[in-house]
Order: sequence, then C-alpha cells, then structure tokens
Amino acid sequence: DAAVTQKPRYLIKMKGQEAEMKCIPEKGHTAVFWYQQKQSKELKFLIYFQNQQPLDQIDMVKERFSAVCPSSSLCSLGIRTCEAEDSALYLCSSREGLGGQGTLYFGAGTRLSVL
Amino acid sequence: GEQVEQLPSSLIVQEGASVLINCSYTDSASVYFPWYKQEPGKRLQFIIDIRSNMERKQNQRLTLLFDKKTKHLSLHITATQPGDSAIYFCSARNMGYKLTFGTGTSLLVDP
Repeated sequence: DAAVTQKPRYLIKMKGQEAEMKCIPEKGHTAVFWYQQKQSKELKFLIYFQNQQPLDQIDMVKERFSAVCPSSSLCSLGIRTCEAEDSALYLCSSREGLGGQGTLYFGAGTRLSVL
Repeated sequence: GEQVEQLPSSLIVQEGASVLINCSYTDSASVYFPWYKQEPGKRLQFIIDIRSNMERKQNQRLTLLFDKKTKHLSLHITATQPGDSAIYFCSARNMGYKLTFGTGTSLLVDP
C-alpha cells in the first residue's frame, strides 16, 4: 500500500503562535497536494507542488502560510500566525506522474487546534 | 471554478441494505471522477473512479454510474456491512491537476 506519512498527528497552538507540519510523500511521487478539512466536511485545496515547485496555491496560503518541498522526500506546511479559524485537519497527498495522472494517496493528517 | 455537491449529506441503513449516493458537478470540462472513503480516524482511501468516456464501472459491491449530459454521478453500494460506515467523497478533475471534492456523505451501517 502507498504510504504518505504526516507528522505530528496532533498539534495544539495558542492564537498568534507559529505552527509547522511535515509530510513525507510516497516514494516516486512527484506531485504533492495539501488540503484543509474542517469538521469532516469537504476538503479545501491549499497548495500544489510538482517536482518540489509550488505551481498553485490559494490566497490564504500566500498571505499567512509557508509551504515548501525542499526534497522529493519531505514537504512542510507552516502557519506563520495561527488564528482560531485555522483549526482543522491538514491532509497531505501525493501521486506519481505529471498533469492529472495517477491515483491520489493521502496521509492520516495533522489535526491542528488553535486555542 | 468547479463545484461538487453530494446528496444525501448523511444516511443510516441496516446491515445488508443497499445505498445510493448522488453527486453532481458544474464544470463540463471535468473528465475524471475518483471517489474516496474516510473512516473515523483513518486516512482517505481511494475506492473507485470513472472517466467521462464511460457510463458505468463496477468494483465488487460498488457500482458507479456516470451521466455526462446531466453532470451527475451515483455510487451504489450493495449488501452494506458495518465496515462500510464512513464518509464518502465524490471528486472531479478536468484535464489539469486539481481535484475538487464534494461535500461528503456520511454513511452509518447498523449491525
């Protein structure tokens, strides 16, 4: 089974603090996506990396998040100043292939609680 | 952008019953529709997919129907088991890279 690893599983931050979560994509996968999920509802696209380069991201990520994939085996998503609305499950996913090819595999997520 | 809606948002059935989950999308350029299952505390798991040049796909107890004209999909699960209890997500992608996920359908199968 493909395995995308995310750490930590749980993260608790105070409002205004910085948060960082990491993702190890499945080996050989060149596309990495981050999604935000609140209360088990729909997944909200955050950012897409292809071959470690960010190709698309929503405005919220540009303004308050930091996301990098310094190597093909490690990506990270950070929040510079946590807000209550950032409390959510952050899901990292990866797939092989360019464009839209390949099945998307998900990590178990990092659950962030902002107090 | 693409919008994906699912109905119902939740349902409860007795073990052994069949269920139907409906999904509609808005972007006529969408060509690929994978479905995922999210069990409590577990990662999203791919379960079945269909491309826009197909009308039907079956995988064991799962049957996925696709109507390109009405931009509608339906997932039929037969002989449900408690292990089928999960949130089911429909998703849609055009020729690009981004998957747009539906609003989710929470299924509870009572033993």
